[in-house]
Amino acid sequence: ELKVEQNPLFLSMQEGKNYTIYCNYSTTSDRLYWYRQDPGKSLESLFVLLSNGAVKQEGRLMASLDTKARLSTLHITAAVHDLSATYFCAVVLPGTASKLTFGTGTRLQVTL
Amino acid sequence: DTAVSQTPKYLVTQMGNDKSIKCEQNLGHDTMYWYKQDSKKFLKIMFSYNNKELIINETVPNRFSPKSPDKAHLNLHINSLELGDSAVYFCASSQAGIGELFFGEGSRLTVL
Repeated sequence: ELKVEQNPLFLSMQEGKNYTIYCNYSTTSDRLYWYRQDPGKSLESLFVLLSNGAVKQEGRLMASLDTKARLSTLHITAAVHDLSATYFCAVVLPGTASKLTFGTGTRLQVTL
Repeated sequence: DTAVSQTPKYLVTQMGNDKSIKCEQNLGHDTMYWYKQDSKKFLKIMFSYNNKELIINETVPNRFSPKSPDKAHLNLHINSLELGDSAVYFCASSQAGIGELFFGEGSRLTVL
């Protein structure tokens, strides 16, 4: 069974600081996704990482994938309050093109 | 024009009742899903349909019955509702083989 774990589960950080969220998964997979969810809202796709060494950046967020270590990171640079949300990573179960298994989520709170 | 739309957005009902949630997508995708998000924000896949064919059926009680009349629609019917069914149910769609999911706004079900 594929397990996807994120840490930390909760992160409180000040505006302007940098931090990294980690996503570990238990089974080989070469596709990983990052999603953002605001309170009471839907999930918004942030990044799609399709190969080992993939790096994607959008604004203050940068995601990377190391398939050998079964690890993805979501790095936040100079956090701003608008980044406060819950962030999920999700991994495709090998052999099932459609089944995404989600991580536990990291609730990010950026304080002024 | 909403890409993935669900109705209703909120459902409050008594134990033992039967309820349905409807989902429609206008993205032209061939695969649709139901995910359940519990009170701890954990997301778990329930069902997936590809071109009206059931392809993922997780360990879900028989009281839950999905139905896909065509590839743009996926409904979820729940019989004999229980307290533990209270959650937010998300519909999503994707193009098979690509995996990136697009989510609806969610349907918050509260069973009293």
